Amino acid sequence: GAGVSQSPRYKVAKRGQDVALRCDPISGHVSLFWYQQALGQGPEFLTYFQNEAQLDKSGLPSDRFFAERPEGSVSTLKIQRTQQEDSAVYLCASSADGDSPHTGELFFGEGSRLTVL
Amino acid sequence: QQQVKQSPQSLIVQKGGISIINCAYENTAFDYFPWYQQFPGKGPALLIAIRPDVSEKKEGRFTISFNKSAKQFSLHIMDSQPGDSATYFCAATLMNSGYSTLTFGKGTMLLVSP
Repeated sequence: GAGVSQSPRYKVAKRGQDVALRCDPISGHVSLFWYQQALGQGPEFLTYFQNEAQLDKSGLPSDRFFAERPEGSVSTLKIQRTQQEDSAVYLCASSADGDSPHTGELFFGEGSRLTVL
Repeated sequence: QQQVKQSPQSLIVQKGGISIINCAYENTAFDYFPWYQQFPGKGPALLIAIRPDVSEKKEGRFTISFNKSAKQFSLHIMDSQPGDSATYFCAATLMNSGYSTLTFGKGTMLLVSP
């Protein structure tokens, strides 16, 4: 596709439910990042994939958060037993290579807004 | 500890005026400083960026000023237009083993009044 596509755009979950958020990066992009953006805050790094390898998951807030990119393209962020503090916009970004933030070539999707009741 | 501090939180500027947003950082290992623009319901998009060996970078109406010794950098928007109304984030990158991650400030909501 022309850009990074995320789905669903909006998700409402009851506390304790599991959710899965999907990211379709730009075709051919090697690097994929997940960020969490709370209301009125800047995005915060969650995890990084280079192709199918998850090289950095230091930003995942708890073991309830899990991300995968099994074939090096589409990625899924899964949140188990959701809590109210998980409510946020989850942004996916892709780039052609791992060094791309230095060249300005990091492309963000529109995000998935999760609301946990 | 917030590694990139941004101010002001919100800003109202009249059309044609200059918008100024400031950021300060702590980690001297940061090696690239981009600014992102975000419209409601959209993802952030790169606006302009600077390396720490340069004191100023200008692209059209947007200018970054960088002060390495003070660990501060700022975004100036000249001749601000209503279409510039958005949230602006400063950021800094840290190179890890073959990849880099972005650390964002908390954002500045800019409103340019007609």
